[in-house]
Amino acid sequence: NAGVMQNPRHLVRRRGQEARLRCSPMKGHSHVYWYRQLPEEGLKFMVYLQKENIIDESGMPKERFSAEFPKEGPSILRIQQVVRGDSAAYFCASSSDRGGGNQPQHFGDGTRLSIL
Amino acid sequence: EDQVTQSPEALRLQEGESSSLNCSYTVSGLRGLFWYRQDPGKGPEFLFTLYSAGEEKEKERLKATLTKKESFLHITAPKPEDSATYLCAVLPYNTDKLIFGTGTRLQVFP
Repeated sequence: NAGVMQNPRHLVRRRGQEARLRCSPMKGHSHVYWYRQLPEEGLKFMVYLQKENIIDESGMPKERFSAEFPKEGPSILRIQQVVRGDSAAYFCASSSDRGGGNQPQHFGDGTRLSIL
Repeated sequence: EDQVTQSPEALRLQEGESSSLNCSYTVSGLRGLFWYRQDPGKGPEFLFTLYSAGEEKEKERLKATLTKKESFLHITAPKPEDSATYLCAVLPYNTDKLIFGTGTRLQVFP
């Protein structure tokens, strides 16, 4: 399967712990996007990255959340000191061009984060 | 403000009963409109991209159309395996992020 790979699929954390979500884009894709889906709400954009660069982080909370896409390895979305409101499904997407205008963004199956 | 509204929220169809899902949008400039299918516990699966008013795309029992203000996803003679949530998203010119609607949850009964 050459699709977008996310792990773990499910992650349980206690309040105050850190959560690390990983995303490997499709082969040949250098553009990565993170979205969050809350129950009964649509997918909301969080951050857009290219290798070693954050291009747009306008949808990401300024505190506790960070993202990276290193030269080698997967993209990481990191949430520090998690709170109950962070419980959601986090989806990663990738594309071969900027924004996916010519070739669409393809999504992984998400990480479902639960905060106890 | 860029916005996407989908209707209805939920739709129940008998197998073979054709219908349409609506996606209304307001966007400063449209780079593309996208339809995705999402099954429970899965990520969105890409279906179609539409770029300009009047454009149509087809795949099996699905046909997507686009006007300057809305898009329709027509489902002809649906089968139970078409049951899913269908998501509409727009990509504005001035950004690289998709703006999603909340989806239409489709259930097709045999």
